[in-house]
Amino acid sequence: DTGVSQNPRHKITKRGQNVTFRCDPISEHNRLYWYRQTLGQGPEFLTYFQNEAQLEKSRLLSDRFSAERPKGSFSTLEIQRTEQGDSAMYLCASSLARAYLNYGYTFGSGTRLTVV
Amino acid sequence: QKEVEQNSGPLSVPEGAIASLNCTYSDRGSQSFFWYRQYSGKSPELIMFIYSNGDKEDGRFTAQLNKASQYVSLLIRDSQPSDSATYLCAVKGSSASKIIFGSGTRLSIRP
Repeated sequence: DTGVSQNPRHKITKRGQNVTFRCDPISEHNRLYWYRQTLGQGPEFLTYFQNEAQLEKSRLLSDRFSAERPKGSFSTLEIQRTEQGDSAMYLCASSLARAYLNYGYTFGSGTRLTVV
Repeated sequence: QKEVEQNSGPLSVPEGAIASLNCTYSDRGSQSFFWYRQYSGKSPELIMFIYSNGDKEDGRFTAQLNKASQYVSLLIRDSQPSDSATYLCAVKGSSASKIIFGSGTRLSIRP
């Protein structure tokens, strides 16, 4: 296990379709994060899991977005009824958090979504 | 006010010189501070983290933290063309379990 794996790398979809992305974190990492990044901006937080529990979800995230992490292993991010504004790079990251510190994330290569 | 602010650049520095990247943050209780490097079309890569006031050095990189001024900086010595990238400042706030990113500074090292 050499890093965070994301699939697919690229996804082109028509507006209104549903899409699902997968993330496999570093195996010993207990936290998994989803971020979205658009051109010229930094990554924007979407949601995070500690083990299998989803502990926080961004208020900016609409109800069309849902994420799961069954059994605390891989995670999926689903976007329903995609809109052109959903076009972005979706980044998954994992980390090992101890106490109140965070040792930083390891990011996957990302999934680039284009909604046409 | 943005939680983490950076100048977008581009910052152009001659090869071999020192590149200085700056970042300010709004949450005075923030505990952990990170610098990520992002090449065009790639995902962010962690290059430095710092928790305590002062300097932290790792090879050609030095991170500086001043909590009183709510200021973080990254110095890159002996800049190389391969250092040309966007540098993201990121902060873990006092009550948050997530890292908040700035919008990044584009650095260009000219030969």
